[in-house]
Amino acid sequence: DAGVIQSPRHEVTEMGQEVTLRCKPISGHNSLFWYRQTMMRGLELLIYFNNNVPIDDSGMPEDRFSAKMPNASFSTLKIQPSEPRDSAVYFCASSLRALNTEAFFGQGTRLTVV
Amino acid sequence: GESVGLHLPTLSVQEGDNSIINCAYSNSASDYFIWYKQESGKGPQFIIDIRSNMDKRQGQRVTVLLNKTVKHLSLQIAATQPGDSAVYFCAENRGGAQKLVFGQGTRLTINP
Repeated sequence: DAGVIQSPRHEVTEMGQEVTLRCKPISGHNSLFWYRQTMMRGLELLIYFNNNVPIDDSGMPEDRFSAKMPNASFSTLKIQPSEPRDSAVYFCASSLRALNTEAFFGQGTRLTVV
Repeated sequence: GESVGLHLPTLSVQEGDNSIINCAYSNSASDYFIWYKQESGKGPQFIIDIRSNMDKRQGQRVTVLLNKTVKHLSLQIAATQPGDSAVYFCAENRGGAQKLVFGQGTRLTINP
């Protein structure tokens, strides 16, 4: 299995632009997570899905952030409009089931908003 | 609380020595714990996990100890190798929901 696949690996965009990050979870996994990593705040859970349904989005910073999972093999995290403080590494992770099992992480997308 | 950190705790050990990385967790309701390893430019990689009904679990060269009384978790790495150099995170599952909360991480450096 190729693991969790994220694209793009790097994204540089101007403030105010829309940014879309993409994730393909491991086949057969039914839970998907979006994390953000910064030096100041470490790894933060933004949102997670079980069976394509958003379960907890309390970590989403504000309305500029949205996430979708239209099917079991694809998810997007969108920021509109982007701001410099959104600069971070965004990770997608998936796991086989909802509770008490490890999550497998993708390589991340490094986002820089200038 | 949530993971915050400007300065990452660091640990340096000589190659071949054993290392112990510690982690304090905050929620007594947490029932599942994971150690992850993150190398530069990569995503966190699963190392070992432990459930709250256990106090010790061993893997290949790694051992995780759980002390629920003081809400403390540790990762022991035996006979460290240069490839062990990375940032290590503990994560807790806050009981009842798949919501892994990560600690701030410890940077482990293996000196040749």
